[in-house]
Amino acid sequence: GAGVSQSPSNKVTEKGKDVELRCDPISGHTALYWYRQSLGQGLEFLIYFQGNSAPDKSGLPSDRFSAERTGGSVSTLTIQRTQQEDSAVYLCASSHYGLGNEQFFGPGTRLTVL
Amino acid sequence: TQLLEQSPQFLSIQEGENLTVYCNSSSVFSSLQWYRQEPGEGPVLLVTVVTGGEVKKLKRLTFQFGDARKDSSLHITAAQPGDTGLYLCAGAITGTASKLTFGTGTRLQVTL
Repeated sequence: GAGVSQSPSNKVTEKGKDVELRCDPISGHTALYWYRQSLGQGLEFLIYFQGNSAPDKSGLPSDRFSAERTGGSVSTLTIQRTQQEDSAVYLCASSHYGLGNEQFFGPGTRLTVL
Repeated sequence: TQLLEQSPQFLSIQEGENLTVYCNSSSVFSSLQWYRQEPGEGPVLLVTVVTGGEVKKLKRLTFQFGDARKDSSLHITAAQPGDTGLYLCAGAITGTASKLTFGTGTRLQVTL
């Protein structure tokens, strides 16, 4: 499969627990993006990686949210002490080079915080 | 503050009808993209427009970028059930190199 993959596809957790969401971008894509989508809504930008560095973290909603990318490939989005308002679909996208290029999206991880 | 407003939010039409979706902002965009998203999947890019006044056609879909690069429209001719989905516009704001700002979305349902 040559597309963006995300895991898990669904995650149900209890309030206060930590969760890790994984994104495997398309091989060779240097840019990686995380977005959050509430039910039926548009996408909210969270963070952008170019290689392993994150020049734009402006969308992370609080210090409970963090993300890293290793080897210029896989990225992990971590949410600590989850709250019910964190429930959403978390989408990852990758592109070749950067913003001007088409972003290819993964299927998302649906996070439900009880 | 939502920078990109889409209208209408919901649209239910019958097969064969025409429709237009609007994407409006007070900000100027260096480029604007339209995506379609189906349930359980990520958005898929339909088109990118970069020049004010630009019109692009993709089969039955016509995309227009406003002259001032603040707004855009998507027109579908003779809609088909396969057009059903969530349509999202997304703009790259001049001066921001890294992120797209997505619109509020228009959910389209086309019935037989």
